[in-house]
Amino acid sequence: DAGVIQSPRHEVTEMGQEVTLRCKPISGHNSLFWYRQTMMRGLELLIYFNNNVPIDDSGMPEDRFSAKMPNASFSTLKIQPSEPRDSAVYFCASSFSTVDTQYFGPGTRLTVL
Amino acid sequence: GENVEQHPSTLSVQEGDSAVIKCTYSDSASNYFPWYKQELGKGPQLIIDIRSNVGEKKDQRIAVTLNKTAKHFSLHITETQPEDSAVYFCAASRGNMLTFGGGTRLMVKP
Repeated sequence: DAGVIQSPRHEVTEMGQEVTLRCKPISGHNSLFWYRQTMMRGLELLIYFNNNVPIDDSGMPEDRFSAKMPNASFSTLKIQPSEPRDSAVYFCASSFSTVDTQYFGPGTRLTVL
Repeated sequence: GENVEQHPSTLSVQEGDSAVIKCTYSDSASNYFPWYKQELGKGPQLIIDIRSNVGEKKDQRIAVTLNKTAKHFSLHITETQPEDSAVYFCAASRGNMLTFGGGTRLMVKP
């Protein structure tokens, strides 16, 4: 299996622009998680889905962030408008179930100028 | 919510020595404790995990111990090698949401 796939790997944008991060979970996994990693706050869970349904989005920092999972093989995390403080590495992870091992993708390094 | 503290934040050992990383958690209902290794530019990779019904688990040079009473768990790496150099994260959950520790940067000097 190719593992969790994320795109793009790097994104540089200007403040105010819309940013869309993409994730393809491991085939057969039905839980998907979005994390953000920064030096100051470490690894934080933003939102997770089970069977394509958002279960907990309490980690989403504010309304500028939104996530969707239109089908079992694709999810997006959107930031609109982006701000410099959104600069971080964003990881997607998937698991067979919400209580199973989570497998992480390679991450998207986002830089907002 | 859950709070996980990890120590030390950096650890330098000589090749062949052992390394120990410790974590404490706050939620007594947590029942799953994975450890992840993150190399530069990569996502965290699971190296070992333990569930609350087990006190110790070993996989070759890596072992994890869990003390539910004290609410702490530890990662032990024996016979360290330069390729063990990375950032290690502990985490705790009670089913679905992982809470991560702050990470330990392990440096193994040849």
